[in-house]
Amino acid sequence: GAVVSQHPSRVICKSGTSVKIECRSLDFQATTMFWYRQFPKQSLMLMATSNEGSKATYEQGVEKDKFLINHASLTLSTLTVTSAHPEDSSFYICSARSLSSYNEQFFGPGTRLTVL
Amino acid sequence: LAKTTQPISMDSYEGQEVNITCSHNNIATNDYITWYQQFPSQGPRFIIQGYKTKVTNEVASLFIPADRKSSTLSLPRVSLSDTAVYYCLVGDIGNTGFQKLVFGTGTRLLVSP
Repeated sequence: GAVVSQHPSRVICKSGTSVKIECRSLDFQATTMFWYRQFPKQSLMLMATSNEGSKATYEQGVEKDKFLINHASLTLSTLTVTSAHPEDSSFYICSARSLSSYNEQFFGPGTRLTVL
Repeated sequence: LAKTTQPISMDSYEGQEVNITCSHNNIATNDYITWYQQFPSQGPRFIIQGYKTKVTNEVASLFIPADRKSSTLSLPRVSLSDTAVYYCLVGDIGNTGFQKLVFGTGTRLLVSP
């Protein structure tokens, strides 16, 4: 099946710094990628939808200036958490959808962000 | 997007069949039903998808009644490794695929020896 990777898998940073998380589709082209956030014992919450070459569409309540999303190619999307604070500590998961498998989203393994 | 309702948790024993039911009373004509599995600190994994009646693959079966207002994921002979959270989602595939997936609370399945 299609594989989506995320890097890094785990990151610890100081409050006020920015953190970039990469999401890559390894064996397919992803026209659309999605970013989710998941707090402990809770469900996944969709943050934004990004289409290659265009601006991301953010869900209500998600600050686009704080969570910068770039989808510059058909295999890579990045999420940058700017000026991270402890409340941004969470599990960030991306997913990707390809044209050839339009009825399925493939999820990455997630990135655990801890802000001290 | 149709809202889904699932039991918060379920318990089972190894070797038993587990059926998890999901309610989606407001499902639309074009909506498909998809189930995902998630282990701790991992991304969700696609299990099965269907539109109506019954769908079966190598890991599960999905039963959808005629009114499509609910669906049941059936896991035959569960093992300890099936302990996970199971999410039921409904959405319109359409010509360009799912526009986005909205996850509900999910069902936390615990399989004991």
